Formats: sequence, structure tokens, C-alpha cells
Amino acid sequence: QVQLVESGGGVVQPGGSLRLSCTASGFTFNDYGMHWVRQAPGKGLEWVAFIRYDGRNKYYSDSVKGRFTISRDDSKSGLYLRMNSLRLEDTAVYFCAKSPGGWAMDVWGKGTTVIVSS
Amino acid sequence: QSALTQPASVSGSPGQSITISCTGTSSDIGGYNYVSWYQQHPGKAPKLMIYDVSNRPSGVSNRFSGSKSGNTASLTISGLQSEDEADYYCSSYTSNTALAALAVLFGGGTKLTVL
Repeated sequence: QVQLVESGGGVVQPGGSLRLSCTASGFTFNDYGMHWVRQAPGKGLEWVAFIRYDGRNKYYSDSVKGRFTISRDDSKSGLYLRMNSLRLEDTAVYFCAKSPGGWAMDVWGKGTTVIVSS
Repeated sequence: QSALTQPASVSGSPGQSITISCTGTSSDIGGYNYVSWYQQHPGKAPKLMIYDVSNRPSGVSNRFSGSKSGNTASLTISGLQSEDEADYYCSSYTSNTALAALAVLFGGGTKLTVL
């Protein structure tokens, strides 16, 4: 079945770096754009980044622009989020999500937790 | 980028209908038909309920419907059931031509309580 599994979360100090991964299965990965969305503890959803199906265009929220980089490896059905210069406010559960076309998110992973703490 | 505006909470009794509003601007909801709605139960991943304003994904109950008027989108749930109790988020594509920025905005979320 269609599935997304995130990994790579953990505890990191402010200013540190982390790389999240999302492994897709059950669909033709290189046909679809992919999103990262996060949710801080007790808060709402916040869109983080999007990469087109062909990887040519990438978009970021203002809060992570210049610090985070989204990428994909279609040979591995993998989506990635490189996070640098992490801040306390980056603490959240990070979800990857598939775009069916348009800007919706029709399949979600269960999320991976990132905690930025000194 | 500012979040879309949703009511913090709504409630209804089983069998009733409720509507959750989501207000944006002409740069997002009002300018594009890319409004989506998501349901999230505690500790779970969000689930897509409505996309492109009023389309339901396969498997989503027809008790859920979406619409848009001007800069405001709405999610209506008819025949409320206990399992509908959850958080609901709207989202929209947005363009900021001044900054040439393209993005997705989420609403702050609405907690639905089934009385």
C-alpha cells in the first residue's frame, strides 16, 4: 500500500544540524511532488517546504528559508530535509506528505520528532 | 506569511451539521482554487478530507463537503458522528508576487467537539 516513513529525528543543540529522511513505497515516487510539514508541541500544522516531482523547483516557508534544504533521490524513493542552524522554535514533529498534483497532501507519514534543546 | 484564520473551536450534537470557516486573502484563498482540509486525531498524522475547494478523495465520507466564497473557504460536516471529533485544518496555495514567493499556508486549526 502507499506509505511514507520518516526517520532521522532526534535531540540537537541550538545551532546544530540534522538530516531527515522520508522513504516512499507503493507508488511511483518520481511522478509526484513532496512536502515537509511540521507541528510544534500542542500547536497547529506549519508548511515547511515543497519539491516538484522533477526536483527542478523547491519552495520554502519564510521561517526556514536559507537554513533548510529539501531534496530527493528518486532512485531510492527518498525525500530529505537538511536542517542547519537549528533554533529552539524548530522543535516539532516533522511529517513528509505526497502531493497528488495541485497543492494538497494526500498521503502522510507518521512523523519524526526533532527536539532542539541545550 | 500569515496563517489563515479559523475559529478555535466548534461543537455540535450527533446528527447535526456544522461548518468551519477559513478566511484568507485574495493572494491565497480568494485567488486560487487550491484549498484543502485536513482532519487530525490526537497523536495521529493529518488526513486529507477535501482538496481543490470541494473535491473529496476516495474513501472520504460524503458527509464532508467544501466550498468557497471570496476569500473564505468552508468545511461542512453533516450528520455529525462521534468519530468526527478531531482537529481540522484548512490550507491554501499562496503567492506573494512582491517577493516572488510561492508557498502553502495552513489555518490555525479548529477543534471540533461532538457533544
